[in-house]
Amino acid sequence: SQTIHQWPATLVQPVGSPLSLECTVEGTSNPNLYWYRQAAGRGLQLLFYSVGIGQISSEVPQNLSASRPQDRQFILSSKKLLLSDSGFYLCAWSGTYYNEQFFGPGTRLTVL
Amino acid sequence: DAKTTQPNSMESNEEEPVHLPCNHSTISGTDYIHWYRQLPSQGPEYVIHGLTSNVNNRMASLAIAEDRKSSTLILHRATLRDAAVYYCIPALRTSYGKLTFGQGTILTVHP
Repeated sequence: SQTIHQWPATLVQPVGSPLSLECTVEGTSNPNLYWYRQAAGRGLQLLFYSVGIGQISSEVPQNLSASRPQDRQFILSSKKLLLSDSGFYLCAWSGTYYNEQFFGPGTRLTVL
Repeated sequence: DAKTTQPNSMESNEEEPVHLPCNHSTISGTDYIHWYRQLPSQGPEYVIHGLTSNVNNRMASLAIAEDRKSSTLILHRATLRDAAVYYCIPALRTSYGKLTFGQGTILTVHP
């Protein structure tokens, strides 16, 4: 069966510090991968999606970047965090041909 | 993306059916209607999807209006574990399916 992992589960970082969140998927190959953010009291916003290694599409301009160094690994990064980067970050995957998306447990990021 | 309108909140009693409505009057002919739910402090969970015909699975039923401008998610017997935010999402079925989450409906289930 397929599983999706995210870490860390929670993170508190000072403004201006770097960020690296990792997501890995097991039990499937060539998944589509997604990063979402949910700010406090708001809906989920799609940040990035990837249909293959090294292929990243950005949905909104922001202070973040994403990379996909391996087939089942998706990394969200920032060089300098802003207060507005705080939120609940969710990674998701779907099959090669569009299917339902499966979400990871999420990382709750607080920028102070 | 098609705009959706859902009630901000709904309440139900345990063991009773729940009908969660969604208006999507600007839906395109090729958009499927997806429903996801999000339990507190968790990522969203897929519930069901459909195009034109009503659909059933182990979690819920989806009733789609003939003109496809609205749909209703039906939980046949609500349990306390069904308390969540329910999202209705019209979306293309493409090889890189992108989902646009709105505010959804907060469902409260009373024991």
